[in-house]
Amino acid sequence: DGGITQSPKYLFRKEGQNVTLSCEQNLNHDAMYWYRQDPGQGLRLIYYSQIVNDFQKGDIAEGYSVSREKKESFPLTVTSAQKNPTAFYLCASSTTGTLTQANYGYTFGSGTRLTVV
Amino acid sequence: AQTVTQSQPEMSVQEAETVTLSCTYDTSESNYYLFWYKQPPSRQMILVIRQEAYKQQNATENRFSVNFQKAAKSFSLKISDSQLGDTAMYFCAFMKPGKLTFGGGTRVLVKP
Repeated sequence: DGGITQSPKYLFRKEGQNVTLSCEQNLNHDAMYWYRQDPGQGLRLIYYSQIVNDFQKGDIAEGYSVSREKKESFPLTVTSAQKNPTAFYLCASSTTGTLTQANYGYTFGSGTRLTVV
Repeated sequence: AQTVTQSQPEMSVQEAETVTLSCTYDTSESNYYLFWYKQPPSRQMILVIRQEAYKQQNATENRFSVNFQKAAKSFSLKISDSQLGDTAMYFCAFMKPGKLTFGGGTRVLVKP
């Protein structure tokens, strides 16, 4: 079955460490996204990529980095510059094109819970 | 930039009753999509319903329906015949090509 796989489900980071969250999709979607969710709040966009080898900053990109070397993969690195990284991270993918496509929409992974220890 | 506002942080409803969640948005775009997503305790994001801005007819999916008022930039969700499994966070979202923006969410609690 097609879908998005995020790993690990739970991740613990020590102060000053970089950690990388994995996101893989087999939906043949061109676009991929990373969102951060804090307790009781909505999702905020960190980075997104609409094509391989290209990505753009979202609303809260500081302290994060991404790469898009393959269409299927969009890993997120939480760097030591991110001062408050404890949160729930969601990856998503979508088709691209005009808004008249009937199947336009996002598919989400099951998320990674990152905790600073 | 687009903003999405959900003014009700939490709502409760008796099983089998109806509840309506409000959502307003701000945009200068003329063509876009609006969504309602459900996030149960598992935290998986589940698409509930989708509305294309160029369609005047309100979308309906089983017990879920929307009231889309384009001029007022309003997009409310009605849950009819509420079930215990409807207990979740509900997020309104606005989409233009390349970006999906979420509201802050409304927690819905269905009481037996």
